[in-house]
Amino acid sequence: DIQMTQSPSTLSASVGDRVTITCRASQSIRSWLAWYQQKPGKAPKLLIYKASSLESGVPSRFSGSGSGADFTLSISSLQPDDFATYYCQQYDTYPYTFGQGTKLEIK
Amino acid sequence: QVHLVQSGAEVKKPGASVNISCKASGYTFSSYYIHWVRQAPGQGLEWMGIINPSGGDTSHAQNFQGRVTMTTDTSTSTVYMELSSLRSEDTAVYYCARDRGWGGSAFDYWGQGTLVTVSS
Repeated sequence: DIQMTQSPSTLSASVGDRVTITCRASQSIRSWLAWYQQKPGKAPKLLIYKASSLESGVPSRFSGSGSGADFTLSISSLQPDDFATYYCQQYDTYPYTFGQGTKLEIK
Repeated sequence: QVHLVQSGAEVKKPGASVNISCKASGYTFSSYYIHWVRQAPGQGLEWMGIINPSGGDTSHAQNFQGRVTMTTDTSTSTVYMELSSLRSEDTAVYYCARDRGWGGSAFDYWGQGTLVTVSS
């Protein structure tokens, strides 16, 4: 199985900050990577697909980059609604696998 | 608009089976594959498997070999996921999610989740 490793596991930041979350795959997944946001008690929400494509309706302050095995999710100016847990997911090869999550907390 | 509505919470004893439904609306049911994902309390996301709502062909993670069955009912636009031989480690929220492509893409719509509690 392809292992997905996110860093950091927890990130403390303030409203208005720019933050970056990293996701590394144990082998190349080309660009078949998605990012999701999850809030407590809710289903995940798709933010980015194919590494850098912004899902419809998602604010443009979210962006994704990378290919092969190294990827990043950036949020350009944190808003109060952005404090949540973020997961990367590879969909290159079955079984699809997720990173362990990055919890974005208010500093 | 697109909705995936799942069946309600379940409490099961170890060794039993659970069957969760996921009813789709707002789009052409047969055109989008459906995935199942679970999340144990306080833990991350785990992909379980995928079903083609039209043909019924499936693929699932080896972790669930022999225990998971996914089926589809095109007449009601509903997919089902049955997990058998339940153990305490299967306590989790189970989600269905739509594949935004044709079985090889990210998940653009999710059900609300179904909590399954396995306890004696």
